[in-house]
Amino acid sequence: DGGITQSPKYLFRKEGQNVTLSCEQNLNHDAMYWYRQDPGQGLRLIYYSQIVNDFQKGDIAEGYSVSREKKESFPLTVTSAQKNPTAFYLCASSFPQVYPGYTFGSGTRLTVV
Amino acid sequence: QKEVEQNSGPLSVPEGAIASLNCTYSDRGSQSFFWYRQYSGKSPELIMSIYSNGDKEDGRFTAQLNKASQYVSLLIRDSQPSDSATYLCAVKEAAGNKLTFGGGTRVLVKP
Repeated sequence: DGGITQSPKYLFRKEGQNVTLSCEQNLNHDAMYWYRQDPGQGLRLIYYSQIVNDFQKGDIAEGYSVSREKKESFPLTVTSAQKNPTAFYLCASSFPQVYPGYTFGSGTRLTVV
Repeated sequence: QKEVEQNSGPLSVPEGAIASLNCTYSDRGSQSFFWYRQYSGKSPELIMSIYSNGDKEDGRFTAQLNKASQYVSLLIRDSQPSDSATYLCAVKEAAGNKLTFGGGTRVLVKP
Protein backbone atom coordinates (compact mmCIF):
# COMPACT_ATOMS: atom_id res chain seq x y z
CA ASP A 1 0.00 0.00 0.00
CA GLY A 2 1.17 3.49 -0.80
CA GLY A 3 1.69 5.85 2.04
CA ILE A 4 3.92 8.17 3.98
CA THR A 5 5.91 6.86 6.93
CA GLN A 6 7.34 8.90 9.76
CA SER A 7 9.75 7.53 12.32
CA PRO A 8 10.21 7.35 15.17
CA LYS A 9 6.75 7.82 16.65
CA TYR A 10 8.22 9.23 19.88
CA LEU A 11 11.60 10.91 20.28
CA PHE A 12 13.36 12.36 23.28
CA ARG A 13 16.10 14.94 22.97
CA LYS A 14 18.55 16.17 25.52
CA GLU A 15 19.49 19.81 25.66
CA GLY A 16 22.12 20.68 23.05
CA GLN A 17 21.51 17.62 20.89
CA ASN A 18 20.59 17.51 17.23
CA VAL A 19 17.97 14.95 16.27
CA THR A 20 16.71 13.82 12.88
CA LEU A 21 13.13 12.89 12.08
CA SER A 22 12.56 10.55 9.17
CA CYS A 23 9.88 10.93 6.49
CA GLU A 24 9.56 8.46 3.61
CA GLN A 25 6.81 8.22 0.99
CA ASN A 26 6.11 5.70 -1.77
CA LEU A 27 3.31 7.69 -3.40
CA ASN A 28 5.55 9.12 -6.12
CA HIS A 29 4.65 12.58 -4.87
CA ASP A 30 6.84 15.45 -5.98
CA ALA A 31 6.19 17.82 -3.08
CA MET A 32 6.92 17.20 0.59
CA TYR A 33 6.34 19.35 3.65
CA TRP A 34 7.20 19.54 7.33
CA TYR A 35 4.78 21.08 9.82
CA ARG A 36 5.00 21.65 13.53
CA GLN A 37 1.94 21.48 15.79
CA ASP A 38 1.89 22.70 19.38
CA PRO A 39 -0.87 21.66 21.82
CA GLY A 40 -4.19 23.23 20.89
CA GLN A 41 -2.65 24.97 17.90
CA GLY A 42 -2.82 24.67 14.15
CA LEU A 43 -0.07 23.55 11.81
CA ARG A 44 2.89 25.81 11.10
CA LEU A 45 5.09 25.22 8.06
CA ILE A 46 8.78 24.57 8.73
CA TYR A 47 10.20 23.61 5.32
CA TYR A 48 8.90 22.38 2.02
CA SER A 49 10.32 20.86 -1.14
CA GLN A 50 8.74 20.84 -4.58
CA ILE A 51 11.43 18.76 -6.32
CA VAL A 52 14.52 16.74 -5.51
CA ASN A 53 17.58 18.76 -4.43
CA ASP A 54 15.51 21.87 -3.80
CA PHE A 55 13.71 23.13 -0.70
CA GLN A 56 12.43 26.38 0.75
CA LYS A 57 11.98 27.79 4.22
CA GLY A 58 8.52 27.99 5.65
CA ASP A 59 7.24 30.30 8.36
CA ILE A 60 9.28 28.88 11.26
CA ALA A 61 12.50 27.48 9.72
CA GLU A 62 14.92 28.81 12.34
CA GLY A 63 16.61 25.99 14.23
CA TYR A 64 15.67 23.35 11.65
CA SER A 65 17.34 21.92 8.56
CA VAL A 66 16.26 19.54 5.81
CA SER A 67 17.58 17.70 2.78
CA ARG A 68 15.90 16.26 -0.30
CA GLU A 69 18.41 13.96 -1.96
CA LYS A 70 15.78 11.45 -3.05
CA LYS A 71 12.20 11.91 -4.18
CA GLU A 72 10.98 9.51 -1.53
CA SER A 73 12.76 11.02 1.46
CA PHE A 74 12.62 14.37 3.27
CA PRO A 75 14.34 14.15 6.68
CA LEU A 76 14.09 17.00 9.19
CA THR A 77 16.90 17.80 11.62
CA VAL A 78 16.01 19.69 14.77
CA THR A 79 19.20 21.44 15.77
CA SER A 80 20.34 22.70 19.17
CA ALA A 81 19.53 26.20 17.91
CA GLN A 82 15.83 25.39 18.19
CA LYS A 83 15.16 26.51 21.74
CA ASN A 84 11.68 25.09 22.17
CA PRO A 85 11.51 21.92 20.08
CA THR A 86 8.91 20.01 22.09
CA ALA A 87 6.02 19.55 19.65
CA PHE A 88 4.22 17.17 17.31
CA TYR A 89 5.92 17.08 13.91
CA LEU A 90 3.95 16.18 10.80
CA CYS A 91 5.30 15.32 7.38
CA ALA A 92 3.05 15.57 4.34
CA SER A 93 3.32 15.01 0.62
CA SER A 94 1.35 15.97 -2.45
CA PHE A 95 1.25 15.62 -6.22
CA PRO A 96 0.20 19.17 -7.12
CA GLN A 97 -0.15 18.46 -10.83
CA VAL A 98 -2.92 15.97 -10.08
CA TYR A 99 -4.43 16.89 -6.71
CA PRO A 100 -3.52 19.81 -4.42
CA GLY A 101 -4.43 18.17 -1.12
CA TYR A 102 -1.91 16.62 1.24
CA THR A 103 -1.37 13.12 2.54
CA PHE A 104 -0.01 13.16 6.08
CA GLY A 105 2.26 10.77 7.91
CA SER A 106 1.37 9.60 11.40
CA GLY A 107 3.63 12.16 13.07
CA THR A 108 6.57 12.22 15.46
CA ARG A 109 6.19 13.54 18.98
CA LEU A 110 9.43 15.16 20.11
CA THR A 111 10.08 15.90 23.77
CA VAL A 112 13.06 17.67 25.30
CA VAL A 113 14.27 15.99 28.50
CA GLN B 1 1.19 36.57 5.35
CA LYS B 2 -1.81 34.57 4.28
CA GLU B 3 -4.22 33.83 7.13
CA VAL B 4 -6.91 31.26 7.80
CA GLU B 5 -9.16 31.87 10.79
CA GLN B 6 -11.34 29.43 12.70
CA ASN B 7 -13.19 29.60 15.98
CA SER B 8 -11.20 27.38 18.35
CA GLY B 9 -14.29 26.11 20.19
CA PRO B 10 -15.05 23.79 21.76
CA LEU B 11 -18.26 23.47 19.79
CA SER B 12 -20.53 21.26 21.84
CA VAL B 13 -23.42 19.58 20.03
CA PRO B 14 -25.85 16.89 21.14
CA GLU B 15 -25.78 13.56 19.35
CA GLY B 16 -27.92 13.65 16.23
CA ALA B 17 -27.71 17.43 15.82
CA ILE B 18 -25.96 19.44 13.11
CA ALA B 19 -22.50 20.84 13.80
CA SER B 20 -21.63 23.97 11.85
CA LEU B 21 -17.98 25.01 11.49
CA ASN B 22 -16.75 28.21 9.89
CA CYS B 23 -13.52 29.35 8.31
CA THR B 24 -12.43 32.64 6.76
CA TYR B 25 -9.32 33.24 4.67
CA SER B 26 -7.34 36.25 3.52
CA ASP B 27 -5.89 35.13 0.16
CA ARG B 28 -8.54 36.38 -2.26
CA GLY B 29 -7.09 34.40 -5.17
CA SER B 30 -7.27 31.00 -3.48
CA GLN B 31 -9.15 28.35 -5.45
CA SER B 32 -8.78 25.13 -3.44
CA PHE B 33 -10.11 24.48 0.05
CA PHE B 34 -9.94 21.49 2.34
CA TRP B 35 -11.35 20.22 5.61
CA TYR B 36 -9.27 17.81 7.68
CA ARG B 37 -10.31 15.94 10.81
CA GLN B 38 -7.74 15.35 13.53
CA TYR B 39 -8.30 13.09 16.50
CA SER B 40 -6.28 13.82 19.63
CA GLY B 41 -2.68 12.66 19.20
CA LYS B 42 -3.21 11.61 15.59
CA SER B 43 -2.41 13.14 12.22
CA PRO B 44 -4.98 15.01 10.12
CA GLU B 45 -7.11 13.07 7.66
CA LEU B 46 -8.86 14.61 4.68
CA ILE B 47 -12.66 14.85 4.87
CA MET B 48 -13.63 17.16 2.05
CA SER B 49 -12.23 19.32 -0.68
CA ILE B 50 -14.15 22.08 -2.46
CA TYR B 51 -13.20 24.30 -5.37
CA SER B 52 -16.41 25.94 -6.62
CA ASN B 53 -18.88 28.26 -4.97
CA GLY B 54 -21.86 26.51 -3.46
CA ASP B 55 -22.37 23.28 -1.59
CA LYS B 56 -20.66 19.91 -1.88
CA GLU B 57 -22.07 16.93 -0.04
CA ASP B 58 -20.34 13.69 0.94
CA GLY B 59 -22.31 11.46 3.26
CA ARG B 60 -23.04 13.33 6.48
CA PHE B 61 -20.65 16.13 5.55
CA THR B 62 -21.44 19.24 3.50
CA ALA B 63 -18.82 21.82 2.59
CA GLN B 64 -19.94 25.30 1.57
CA LEU B 65 -17.82 27.86 -0.25
CA ASN B 66 -18.37 31.56 -0.88
CA LYS B 67 -15.30 33.04 -2.58
CA ALA B 68 -16.75 36.56 -2.68
CA SER B 69 -17.01 36.54 1.11
CA GLN B 70 -13.81 34.48 1.51
CA TYR B 71 -15.69 32.00 3.64
CA VAL B 72 -15.75 28.22 3.86
CA SER B 73 -17.93 26.15 6.15
CA LEU B 74 -18.45 22.52 7.08
CA LEU B 75 -21.71 21.02 8.24
CA ILE B 76 -21.81 17.67 10.01
CA ARG B 77 -25.33 16.23 10.01
CA ASP B 78 -26.55 13.60 12.48
CA SER B 79 -23.46 14.18 14.63
CA GLN B 80 -22.05 11.10 16.33
CA PRO B 81 -19.73 10.82 19.35
CA SER B 82 -17.09 9.52 16.90
CA ASP B 83 -17.18 12.95 15.22
CA SER B 84 -15.60 14.46 18.34
CA ALA B 85 -12.30 15.79 17.02
CA THR B 86 -10.56 18.94 15.88
CA TYR B 87 -11.46 20.09 12.38
CA LEU B 88 -8.82 21.97 10.41
CA CYS B 89 -9.62 24.26 7.51
CA ALA B 90 -6.85 24.47 4.89
CA VAL B 91 -6.53 26.86 1.97
CA LYS B 92 -4.19 26.42 -0.98
CA GLU B 93 -2.30 29.59 -1.82
CA ALA B 94 -3.21 31.30 -5.05
CA ALA B 95 0.37 31.25 -6.33
CA GLY B 96 2.05 28.00 -5.38
CA ASN B 97 1.20 24.65 -3.88
CA LYS B 98 1.35 25.22 -0.13
CA LEU B 99 -1.64 24.88 2.16
CA THR B 100 -2.20 27.30 5.00
CA PHE B 101 -4.05 25.81 7.95
CA GLY B 102 -6.40 27.41 10.41
CA GLY B 103 -5.98 26.80 14.10
CA GLY B 104 -8.79 24.25 14.11
CA THR B 105 -12.19 23.99 15.76
CA ARG B 106 -12.63 21.41 18.48
CA VAL B 107 -15.98 19.63 18.27
CA LEU B 108 -17.52 17.67 21.16
CA VAL B 109 -20.54 15.50 20.43
CA LYS B 110 -22.37 14.56 23.60
CA PRO B 111 -24.49 11.39 23.76
